[in-house]
Amino acid sequence: ETGVTQSPTHLIKTRGQQVTLRCSSQSGHNTVSWYQQALGQGPQFIFQYYREEENGRGNFPPRFSGLQFPNYSSELNVNALELDDSALYLCASSAATAGQGYEQYFGPGTRLTVT
Amino acid sequence: SQQGEEDPQALSIQEGENATMNCSYKTSINNLQWYRQNSGRGLVHLILIRSNEREKHSGRLRVTLDTSKKSSSLLITASRAADTASYFCATVSTSGTYKYIFGTGTRLKVLA
Repeated sequence: ETGVTQSPTHLIKTRGQQVTLRCSSQSGHNTVSWYQQALGQGPQFIFQYYREEENGRGNFPPRFSGLQFPNYSSELNVNALELDDSALYLCASSAATAGQGYEQYFGPGTRLTVT
Repeated sequence: SQQGEEDPQALSIQEGENATMNCSYKTSINNLQWYRQNSGRGLVHLILIRSNEREKHSGRLRVTLDTSKKSSSLLITASRAADTASYFCATVSTSGTYKYIFGTGTRLKVLA
């Protein structure tokens, strides 16, 4: 167990709806990253937050947005859901400092199904 | 898009044999990491190798890095049925902001 938790475990939404996924980082970690993993694929980097500021973003549209809170918990929000958004969403925390990329500790993921 | 490409895509071996999987990437990196994923669950960090390192060991794992060829390999020695999983390499770019770019993965099956 990594100490990173995610909620909910599973979620079913309808196309066009909005969804919020939550992540609680491992204690002492100041960086959180979110990934989308389609079936049979590797995780795709959505974005990263470091001390509540966005610190990097992958090739995802603006309808994917996030927040990191002072206690380093985090949210991923997706607006106007599309069928292709169906995937496993993973968050990962790390104790990064400027100039370094550190090992990440992943949560178990949220399985989102869009119908 | 995914920077890393693992090879082979799938590997099936007998328990006790060694398993080797390779990863290629495209741009300059700060470090390269290997992760394991069981059955679509969260990933588990295995080992990190920095761009100025050439080889690293951790238990039954051996990782090599060749920055001139932009490639890395993961060797699992004396494999066990419990090693059955998907293995991913992830590169951390040197672009200033941190992007972890994962490869497509190698699905390893260890037969008892």
